[in-house]
Amino acid sequence: SQQGEEDPQALSIQEGENATMNCSYKTSINNLQWYRQNSGRGLVHLILIRSNEREKHSGRLRVTLDTSKKSSSLLITASRAADTASYFCATDNSGNTPLVFGKGTRLSVIA
Amino acid sequence: DTAVSQTPKYLVTQMGNDKSIKCEQNLGHDTMYWYKQDSKKFLKIMFSYNNKELIINETVPNRFSPKSPDKAHLNLHINSLELGDSAVYFCASSQDRRSKTQYFGPGTRLLVL
Repeated sequence: SQQGEEDPQALSIQEGENATMNCSYKTSINNLQWYRQNSGRGLVHLILIRSNEREKHSGRLRVTLDTSKKSSSLLITASRAADTASYFCATDNSGNTPLVFGKGTRLSVIA
Repeated sequence: DTAVSQTPKYLVTQMGNDKSIKCEQNLGHDTMYWYKQDSKKFLKIMFSYNNKELIINETVPNRFSPKSPDKAHLNLHINSLELGDSAVYFCASSQDRRSKTQYFGPGTRLLVL
């Protein structure tokens, strides 16, 4: 069954603005990841945050995790047109269970 | 030097036909996966192999049969194609079955007419 649910489904911003996407999930997790998918391409791993971590940074990306609310957010600062893509969260809840992906947020960054 | 490659990129075929999609990874990973992404972008795991051994088999029709000749290859054979099989199929790999970071191929766009 679907685990992650991204919000909003679609987001359109101007270049230079920050973009925030949220992910909510239902059951306890070990890790939560964010992936990017450019149009017509495969998914690319962005960042992984463990259940005992609250915040993680990678370049212009900032991910937070609130396990009490079963939610995560992905912040992209100073967005660029090249950030236009769909962003997916994916969760796993034990050693060998498969990743479960949400439906994604479509981000459009307008130059 | 593509990490995870899939062939073909596009596949258009008639209902009832049998087709195969090939996947190869040159990352030295032990674990490989097949996903199906529907028209609404929902990505769902189909199969996972670890060192040529099937470890995940989600509720997928028997018409879908994965084959792993070695740990660098995971092919997907589909018999008696149906309209509902139209989707984008992604192959992915991870270092091992415990590693959660996955590396995806470019996808195979299957259209069944």
